[in-house]
Amino acid sequence: RKEVEQDPGPFNVPEGATVAFNCTYSNSASQSFFWYRQDCRKEPKLLMSVYSSGNEDGRFTAQLNRASQYISLLIRDSKLSDSATYLCVVNPNDYKLSFGAGTTVTVRA
Amino acid sequence: NAGVTQTPKFRVLKTGQSMTLLCAQDMNHEYMYWYRQDPGMGLRLIHYSVGEGTTAKGEVPDGYNVSRLKKQNFLLGLESAAPSQTSVYFCASSYEIDTGELFFGEGSRLTVL
Repeated sequence: RKEVEQDPGPFNVPEGATVAFNCTYSNSASQSFFWYRQDCRKEPKLLMSVYSSGNEDGRFTAQLNRASQYISLLIRDSKLSDSATYLCVVNPNDYKLSFGAGTTVTVRA
Repeated sequence: NAGVTQTPKFRVLKTGQSMTLLCAQDMNHEYMYWYRQDPGMGLRLIHYSVGEGTTAKGEVPDGYNVSRLKKQNFLLGLESAAPSQTSVYFCASSYEIDTGELFFGEGSRLTVL
């Protein structure tokens, strides 16, 4: 079983829509969680950390459910510039981060 | 502000050839990583280093070697390239792991024929 699993999508949504997706992780000892964004043929970049209490950063909301071992990302009022692949990242409490394969979001005009 | 620089950005090799990918960071980061990214597989860790002079194996280390002789540089070597090593290679560095913020280079696209 992969350490981090994501629905690859793609999620095709119109501008202004809300889109949400999850990722699951297998290591219950994982301590920290993150979402990265990767544009086509570019390097990944940190989008936001995911805190136990949930957190928002503008139009982006991240949630953590430790009991069910999943994290989620919700994007409100989608913009064309939100089109990207979103990588779920988990720190299983060592020096290495585990990356999911990514969820592709395409926002159409 | 250069950040993380990878060279070369593109390379085509024949099976059996060797090459070295260079990663350089100017942020004085302790941790450095080499990942490969393949369609549908996500980023997979090849090797990593927690400081100058140290290296450790990641998830997919076979066929690769690394060295970290200087804090700012992390080299990835392919001794005898195979078509299965065709991939996009990303180097990353971080100051500490708890923040989860890795700074990535732009990637190196390697094709092995």
